[in-house]
Amino acid sequence: AQKVTQAQTEISVVEKEDVTLDCVYETRDTTYYLFWYKQPPSGELVFLIRRNSFDEQNEISGRYSWNFQKSTSSFNFTITASQVVDSAVYFCALLKTSYDKVIFGPGTSLSVIP
Amino acid sequence: DVKVTQSSRYLVKRTGEKVFLECVQDMDHENMFWYRQDPGLGLRLIYFSYDVKMKEKGDIPEGYSVSREKKERFSLILESASTNQTSMYLCASSLPTGYAYEQYFGPGTRLTVT
Repeated sequence: AQKVTQAQTEISVVEKEDVTLDCVYETRDTTYYLFWYKQPPSGELVFLIRRNSFDEQNEISGRYSWNFQKSTSSFNFTITASQVVDSAVYFCALLKTSYDKVIFGPGTSLSVIP
Repeated sequence: DVKVTQSSRYLVKRTGEKVFLECVQDMDHENMFWYRQDPGLGLRLIYFSYDVKMKEKGDIPEGYSVSREKKERFSLILESASTNQTSMYLCASSLPTGYAYEQYFGPGTRLTVT
């Protein structure tokens, strides 16, 4: 069965701190895709990154970085020098290529306090 | 700029009413999705459609139906609304999953059934 776990329900950090959001997934497939989405208070989910199962290179985009480790089935997301605008709910998601459904984790609510 | 719009941001209906939630995308996407979002449960797929007049059940289709008569429009129907259908409803669209493209989301409809 496919499953995505985000063990951290809520996280609070003070502005400029670094924060890592954890994501652990389960799948028996060898080919799959992982995603991170951000849901700000306005409600609309925004795509952040896609990673396929054959590409284990870490990715950095500005203050955001992602660490994909197949050995531990994890796809963690780090925000460096957090800002108040980073306050949102963040979802990790898994797409199995052989069918069209995306499985979302329960989300982690991040609050960045000024 | 890509866009997914939903007919209402907030909706209040009475138990037993028939409810229509409309979603329109302007990206010529083949795939469209309806999710409901509840605290602690993340996003759960209700129905999705990969082509006009085609539909597939998601994980929680009971109590819902859908209609896709045109490529750009995907409607979610609550035949007889119940209080346990009070939730946030999110519509999304994407290119065919074989390309593993990200989903684009609308702003959501917060439905309250009293």
